[in-house]
Amino acid sequence: QSALTQPASVSGSPGQSITISCTGTSSDVGGYNYVSWYQQHPGKAPKLMIYDVSNRPSGLSNRFSGSKSGNTASLTISGLQAEDEADYYCSSYTSSAVWVFGGGTKLTVL
Amino acid sequence: VHLVESGGGVVQPGRSLRLSCAASGFTFSNYPMHWVRQAPGKGLEWVAVISYDGSIKYYADSVKGRFTISRDSSRNTLYLQMNSLRAEDTALFYCARDNSGQGAFDMWGQGTMVTVSS
Repeated sequence: QSALTQPASVSGSPGQSITISCTGTSSDVGGYNYVSWYQQHPGKAPKLMIYDVSNRPSGLSNRFSGSKSGNTASLTISGLQAEDEADYYCSSYTSSAVWVFGGGTKLTVL
Repeated sequence: VHLVESGGGVVQPGRSLRLSCAASGFTFSNYPMHWVRQAPGKGLEWVAVISYDGSIKYYADSVKGRFTISRDSSRNTLYLQMNSLRAEDTALFYCARDNSGQGAFDMWGQGTMVTVSS
């Protein structure tokens, strides 16, 4: 149950697009279309942003999108806004019937 | 529609604690439920899952054999019994609803803090 690999930090200017990667193995990310992404602001509970690789919960901005290629999933945020500054975590179902999170990525909006 | 955790506190190593998560505003018995924890200043760590009917349970290796997840649908409450607690179990514990059965955690509580210290 090793954690998925995410970059520690990414940054972008308002209006730009950024992508956060999430790398696993064929036993988790690569083996199932059950990757989710969460946004967490300081002192707050996580919020579901993407599920099943690329699906957005109802009402969520279409500036957030997800994709997957092989063992790596990605979260793209377009039209960056100040309120997007937060920590982002990916998670995946695994072949052991458990879930694993990534280490988290701190997004800074410059 | 929300989840409210309780039962956290300060406990000595080796002791036990039981966390609760009260659900309201949705049909609790229709959803798998998870516990996820976050150590101070660290990332999220998945802990355990229980199926909608309580018949299936899985645990992270780090807690297997020490923690037990359960649910009482008559009380709309999820539980986490934690035994043989260690310093490394110190964390904010969240309960989360799984809306898809495949790990779409669409509802989270505010968390309850567990501190294991002598």
